[in-house]
Amino acid sequence: GAVVSQHPSWVICKSGTSVKIECRSLDFQATTMFWYRQFPKQSLMLMATSNEGSKATYEQGVEKDKFLINHASLTLSTLTVTSAHPEDSSFYICSARPWDRVDTEAFFGQGTRLTVV
Amino acid sequence: AQKITQTQPGMFVQEKEAVTLDCTYDTSDPSYGLFWYKQPSSGEMIFLIYQGSYDQQNATEGRYSLNFQKARKSANLVISASQLGDSAMYFCAMRSRSNDYKLSFGAGTTVTVRA
Repeated sequence: GAVVSQHPSWVICKSGTSVKIECRSLDFQATTMFWYRQFPKQSLMLMATSNEGSKATYEQGVEKDKFLINHASLTLSTLTVTSAHPEDSSFYICSARPWDRVDTEAFFGQGTRLTVV
Repeated sequence: AQKITQTQPGMFVQEKEAVTLDCTYDTSDPSYGLFWYKQPSSGEMIFLIYQGSYDQQNATEGRYSLNFQKARKSANLVISASQLGDSAMYFCAMRSRSNDYKLSFGAGTTVTVRA
């Protein structure tokens, strides 16, 4: 299967700072990547769809100025949590879809556990 | 709108026994795909099995099989011969063209396998 790498796997940051999370497709090109947030024992909540070369599409209720997404190349999307606060502490996970297989499964990164102190 | 329902928050199963995880869905799309993912405590999402809405036969992958009942809009996952390593959270998901092929997830079911 296709490989998606997410970095870092965990991060602890101080309140008020920004944190960048990277999502890379290692062996395929992804015009579309997805960012999810997951609280303990809960389901994955889609935050936004990252589109290569254009603006991300955010789901309702997700602050675009808080969660900045950049998809600068066909293999890399980044999520920046700006001015992080303790309530932003969560598990963030990305997925990517090969550009030529729109209707197939999405492949997931390993996830990032963010703790804001 | 799409909706995935998993009504079992948690289940216990004895090692070597089979377990069935329920999943029902709702969509108006004639064409859709159904997925099951496993999420162990490490957090990674592991793809288990896929069923297309037009597939005539139920999908099987090793110890995993999907009991697809299209008329009832259900896609239950059956894990046979449970192993301790099967202890994890399991998510049912669906994607369809009307939702731009984004995955919609159910609430998940936590499975604990007992020795």
